[in-house]
Amino acid sequence: DAGVIQSPRHEVTEMGQEVTLRCKPISGHNSLFWYRQTMMRGLELLIYFNNNVPIDDSGMPEDRFSAKMPNASFSTLKIQPSEPRDSAVYFCASSLDLDEGYQKLFFGSGTQLSVL
Amino acid sequence: AQKVTQAQTEISVVEKEDVTLDCVYETRDTTYYLFWYKQPPSGELVFLIRRNSFDEQNEISGRYSWNFQKSTSSFNFTITASQVVDSAVYFCALSGNEKLTFGTGTRLTIIP
Repeated sequence: DAGVIQSPRHEVTEMGQEVTLRCKPISGHNSLFWYRQTMMRGLELLIYFNNNVPIDDSGMPEDRFSAKMPNASFSTLKIQPSEPRDSAVYFCASSLDLDEGYQKLFFGSGTQLSVL
Repeated sequence: AQKVTQAQTEISVVEKEDVTLDCVYETRDTTYYLFWYKQPPSGELVFLIRRNSFDEQNEISGRYSWNFQKSTSSFNFTITASQVVDSAVYFCALSGNEKLTFGTGTRLTIIP
């Protein structure tokens, strides 16, 4: 399997612009997670989906952030409008079912976002 | 609320030395899971181990070993005969009834 695939690897944009990050989870995994990593706050869970349904979005920082999972093989994280403080590495991860607690997470390579 | 503390921010050791990374956790859940992840310079987080709260047996995998002690709420990670390829940031994580919580990580540098 190709693993979790994220695109783009790097994104540089100007404040106020819309940014869309994309993720393809591992085939057969039914849980998908979006994390943000910064020096100040470490790894933060933004949102996770189970069977394409958002389960917990309490980590989404503001209404400027939104995430969708239209099908089992694709998810997006959108920031509109973007701000410099959104600059971070955004990771997508997938796993098998959550019924028995958190399973092993498979992470993508991340998207390095820089908002100027 | 659950919490994971990795007090060691950075560690440097000379190649072939043994090194232990500390992890202390807090949770009120009776059933929980502990994890270690490795983040090499390439940036991707790699799963190393998952341990549930009912299994206190220590585990060894090659040069890696983990010591889980519920009495001290610790889940420490030891690398024996360290190698340059072990240089990375290592994260301890915890999940119970709450979402997975990561520690702040320990940056390990192996000096050739």
